[in-house]
Amino acid sequence: DGGITQSPKYLFRKEGQNVTLSCEQNLNHDAMYWYRQDPGQGLRLIYYSQIVNDFQKGDIAEGYSVSREKKESFPLTVTSAQKNPTAFYLCASSIAGGITDTQYFGPGTRLTVL
Amino acid sequence: KNQVEQSPQSLIILEGKNCTLQCNYTVSPFSNLRWYKQDTGRGPVSLTIMTFSENTKSNGRYTATLDADTKQSSLHITASQLSDSASYICVVSAHSGYALNFGKGTSLLVTP
Repeated sequence: DGGITQSPKYLFRKEGQNVTLSCEQNLNHDAMYWYRQDPGQGLRLIYYSQIVNDFQKGDIAEGYSVSREKKESFPLTVTSAQKNPTAFYLCASSIAGGITDTQYFGPGTRLTVL
Repeated sequence: KNQVEQSPQSLIILEGKNCTLQCNYTVSPFSNLRWYKQDTGRGPVSLTIMTFSENTKSNGRYTATLDADTKQSSLHITASQLSDSASYICVVSAHSGYALNFGKGTSLLVTP
């Protein structure tokens, strides 16, 4: 898990509520990422940020929002518009946004919407 | 469409035995291929990374091979241990664009 922390580890929310997942890194990495992992599927990119105050949509950004106000923080908000939010969410960071840069993952947050 | 296919989907082996996991990809133009290990309920951890010019890379008891011509990679685990029980994910990057292409993973269970 390195220097990437995600909180909380487990999160339960009622349908229709927005929820924010925390991701913090102390690796001094420029790039940060959010992925979603569902059973039997590969990781899918939600959003990524290569620099502070800038971020781009990934493959499945609908129903999610992010901010990157600080280099070490990249919170993800799961909004009520996300039709199937129950999943395992993984945050990652890399030294820069290069394709050869290894991404280091946090321990994940399991979100369950009741 | 860039795709990464892993086989088998799951595997059970006895402690001490060897095993080989497969990864086939159609990602183009190819940049690099990584193998990650993911313990249950945890984030993936990088095991190896190989570029086009590399055909073998080792990390302890893990040895990855790459055949860029046939677009195939394998991960060989030697003398398996109970702690090797995890999901092993193949990830392929293309030169164009940014995105990583993730396989669905092979779930390995090592039993006593």
